[in-house]
Amino acid sequence: DAKTTQPNSMESNEEEPVHLPCNHSTISGTDYIHWYRQLPSQGPEYVIHGLTSNVNNRMASLAIAEDRKSSTLILHRATLRDAAVYYCILRGVNDYKLSFGAGTTVTVRA
Amino acid sequence: SAVISQKPSRDICQRGTSLTIQCQVDSQVTMMFWYRQQPGQSLTLIATANQGSEATYESGFVIDKFPISRPNLTFSTLTVSNMSPEDSSIYLCSVWPRDNTEAFFGQGTRLTVV
Repeated sequence: DAKTTQPNSMESNEEEPVHLPCNHSTISGTDYIHWYRQLPSQGPEYVIHGLTSNVNNRMASLAIAEDRKSSTLILHRATLRDAAVYYCILRGVNDYKLSFGAGTTVTVRA
Repeated sequence: SAVISQKPSRDICQRGTSLTIQCQVDSQVTMMFWYRQQPGQSLTLIATANQGSEATYESGFVIDKFPISRPNLTFSTLTVSNMSPEDSSIYLCSVWPRDNTEAFFGQGTRLTVV
């Protein structure tokens, strides 16, 4: 499985943007980049995914490097509810099994 | 989308006993998975629950320890057998509905073995 590397933790102030980096230098041409987050005492939830182009949804934006070897999840205005562990995961086009790394623990200060 | 109900939400069990965890989905799904999350750790895939056939286990997990049933497309059970304190974890059910771009997870079952 292609691996991802994320910082262990990041801190942010409420109402400020959060940029979460993810390195995936061994990504293959057909791997999707998925982001999930796990709020305290809950199962993971989907955040966003992309293949080559940058993506936006109501939760976040995903910026993908041109060579696809890295990506950044952007939370535009962090709230206390965004405090969670964020996982960057590579998924093959016909692979529905998710391989979770250690993720990045995001702390949001009021 | 899919809504997953897991039961029980938590349990405290004696070592040497077994616990069966149920996963109920509000729609028919082909892809269903069981994960384990040990204290302070990330999620690890245990197995794929296949409807009508034996589950497919990941390396390090065996059927005798984690038997799985999948009688239909909306329901599955995971049994943790002959438990030891090392089995204390959160066990999560996950599904990937057809034509969806995301997986859905249950809230998890927090198991403590004493």
